[in-house]
Formats: sequence, C-alpha cells, structure tokens
Amino acid sequence: AQSVTQLGSHVSVSEGALVLLRCNYSSSVPPYLFWYVQYPNQGLQLLLKYTTGATLVKGINGFEAEFKKSETSFHLTKPSAHMSDAAEYFCAVSEPPLNTDKLIFGTGTRLQVFP
Amino acid sequence: EPEVTQTPSHQVTQMGQEVILRCVPISNHLYFYWYRQILGQKVEFLVSFYNNEISEKSEIFDDQFSVERPDGSNFTLKIRSTKLEDSAMYFCASSELGAQYGYTFGSGTRLTVV
Repeated sequence: AQSVTQLGSHVSVSEGALVLLRCNYSSSVPPYLFWYVQYPNQGLQLLLKYTTGATLVKGINGFEAEFKKSETSFHLTKPSAHMSDAAEYFCAVSEPPLNTDKLIFGTGTRLQVFP
Repeated sequence: EPEVTQTPSHQVTQMGQEVILRCVPISNHLYFYWYRQILGQKVEFLVSFYNNEISEKSEIFDDQFSVERPDGSNFTLKIRSTKLEDSAMYFCASSELGAQYGYTFGSGTRLTVV
C-alpha cells in the first residue's frame, strides 16, 4: 500500500537560509510524486511533480526536489528562504493511472521563516 | 490562471442535516475529485469522478456521501445526514488528464457540524 512520511511537522529557518523538507514514500510500483503548498485559508497549490524522466525536478517559487529511488525519498529544497515561503507543505504520492488516480498525502510540514 | 471554485467557503449545519458542497472545476478538465482535511490531520481522498461516474472511492465515502455533476459545469458533494465527525475542510480538485499531471485544488469549504 502507498504511504508518505514527512519527517518534522514543523521546520523553522531564517530568511536566506536553506530550506529542506523531508519526504519518504512507500509504493509497490514506480510512483508519481508531488509537493503541494497550502497558504493560510487557501487551497493546495502544486509546487512540483515527478512522474518519469529527470530525477531532479524544478518547481515554482525556486523550489526543487530530487527523486531518489534507492532512498525512497523526494525531499523538497530551496537554496534561500523568503518570508513568503511560510506555509504548510504536503508531499503526496500516486501510483500510475492504471492502478489508481488518487493522491496519498503526508501529514504536512509547517515552514516558519524568521527575519 | 484558471481556478477551481468552491462554495460556500464556510458552512455550519446541525447534526443530521443534509449539506451540499458545490464546486466548479476548470472547464476543460475531465477528472474530478473530493478530498477532506479534518483539523490537524492529513488530507484524505474521498472520491474520484470521470465520465459521469465514480471511478474510485475511499472507505470514508460511505452511503451517506454522494457526488453529482448535475449540469456539465458544477460538481457537488452531498452528505445526507451529517455527523459531528464530518466537520472538516472539504477540497474539490480537477485535472485535465489525471493524477500524473497534478490536480488543481479549490480553496475549500469548511464544514462545521454542531
């Protein structure tokens, strides 16, 4: 069965510091992997996704993530945090459409950015 | 940029009452979904809908729940007899070609059952 584990429910960084949000997954087949961001009182916005091909994927707002099959990980990074990055971040996994079309979400990581 | 629109943004209802949550997906999208997020918990899949029928549903989506696309533009989630534990944020999402392309989520309806 698919599952997603996000280590750290809260992460705090200083403005300009590296952001690293961790995500590990479990899937019986090569997965599709996603990061979503949720700003207060808003819906979930797709940051980036990995389906096939290049394992380093770039998303919006300067974020990127690397799919590492050997580590079953899909960690999200950003070289330099900005105050506007403060939000809740969700990692999600899906198996290819022939198996299922639903997303399984992690429990989320709340990112705080201090000046 | 195209949006998924959900109404109302907040609904309060009494236990046992029926509620209908409304969503307008992006016009050229073919796949529709409902998810929910109980306060402080993870986002959970409820149901997916394609070609005017349910394609997949979770254990949460029991006989109290139903979905409908009544007029080709709206996509609704009905809860027939609400329970306290149905209190949650409900998100509608749509996708042009399925999960691999990512979803566009609406901003959610906060349902409070009292």
